[in-house]
Amino acid sequence: AAGVIQSPRHLIKEKRETATLKCYPIPRHDTVYWYQQGPGQDPQFLISFYEKMQSDKGSIPDRFSAQQFSDYHSELNMSSLELGDSALYFCASSSLSYPDRGYGSGANVLTFGAGSRLTVL
Amino acid sequence: AQKITQTQPGMFVQEKEAVTLDCTYDTSDQSYGLFWYKQPSSGEMIFLIYQGSYDEQNATEGRYSLNFQKARKSANLVISASQLGDSAMYFCAMRGGDRDDKIIFGKGTRLHILP
Repeated sequence: AAGVIQSPRHLIKEKRETATLKCYPIPRHDTVYWYQQGPGQDPQFLISFYEKMQSDKGSIPDRFSAQQFSDYHSELNMSSLELGDSALYFCASSSLSYPDRGYGSGANVLTFGAGSRLTVL
Repeated sequence: AQKITQTQPGMFVQEKEAVTLDCTYDTSDQSYGLFWYKQPSSGEMIFLIYQGSYDEQNATEGRYSLNFQKARKSANLVISASQLGDSAMYFCAMRGGDRDDKIIFGKGTRLHILP
């Protein structure tokens, strides 16, 4: 079965540089979520999109922006990178219109990609 | 505000034994969902099991079961017959009342299975 695809898997940048992470959700999934997981931390919600519109916003720095495109893929843009931005960035997708896994309409199970590991030097 | 609490930072369990990972939650929503995810050392986040707040029966998925006690606001994960491959970080997570809500995670429990 198709999974959530994230690229690149690994990225090394210098301070003050910019980085772009890409996420390709599972086909027919209409919702994308971005999470940031620092070393030894739990994942923190950054932002989400439903049908190409921003649906929720968490602790996303102003230096970061994201969007979801017409083909439902999403990109997270990070500028003026800081050392503290070094983390594992996850994209997850789900379907609000066609819930999968047989859990019923209330489940909205998020399927995560393998993550993009960003290292800022 | 919603909150997930996992009080066991780490656990060591002998292979083939059953293990229970604790999770308590706090929410004012009447409808919510509870999840468990596994994160191996390779880093990916793997969905294990889901429990809806209105589900009367505890969820089960193979060797995984969720001990849901609504009045106590607990959603413990039980892994039966543990295997070496179960060594990983386990996160309890929660989604609020709206189906498009993000999920929030607990701090996680690192499980070590001993041969």
